[in-house]
Amino acid sequence: EDKVVQSPLSLVVHEGDTVTLNCSYEVTNFRSLLWYKQEKKAPTFLFMLTSSGIEKKSGRLSSILDKKELFSILNITATQTGDSAVYLCAVERGNAGNMLTFGGGTRLMVKP
Amino acid sequence: NAGVTQTPKFRILKIGQSMTLQCTQDMNHNYMYWYRQDPGMGLKLIYYSVGAGITDKGEVPNGYNVSRSTTEDFPLRLELAAPSQTSVYFCASGIPGLLHTGELFFGEGSRLTVL
Repeated sequence: EDKVVQSPLSLVVHEGDTVTLNCSYEVTNFRSLLWYKQEKKAPTFLFMLTSSGIEKKSGRLSSILDKKELFSILNITATQTGDSAVYLCAVERGNAGNMLTFGGGTRLMVKP
Repeated sequence: NAGVTQTPKFRILKIGQSMTLQCTQDMNHNYMYWYRQDPGMGLKLIYYSVGAGITDKGEVPNGYNVSRSTTEDFPLRLELAAPSQTSVYFCASGIPGLLHTGELFFGEGSRLTVL
């Protein structure tokens, strides 16, 4: 059975702090790993990672994948209150339907 | 730019009632999905479709049915509502392939409560 586990479950930091969110996975026929940010409603896409060791970066957010150890991290530097959200990690299987298996999410709260 | 549209946004059902959650997308995506999200949890796949006329079960299909008669529409039917189906339901669409980004486009969600 495919499994995606995120840690920590929740995190409270102050503005300006740097945070690291973790995602480990066990999935057959791995194709890619995706990160989403979910505020009040639907998840919004952040990154897709397919290759080990290549960092994806967007502003203060960055992510990297380790396909040997089967995990990914999402870093957020200089956090702002607008970063408060649930961050979801999902793994895509490369078979019919390209299904995504989601982890349980990490709830991040950034205090002013 | 409508994207993925779900209706209704909120619904309260009594145990044993039936209802259909509607989902339509205007991006001409072949792939469509239904997920449910329980409080404090990630998303679990209920059903998916890779094109009109083709549907398949996801992780948690029991108690639900789907159909895909057109590319645009992918309704989700609950036949005999149970309290365990209280959740937020998300419809999503995407276009996997050699050039795809892996990104799914999500609707705003439908919050369903079964009492």
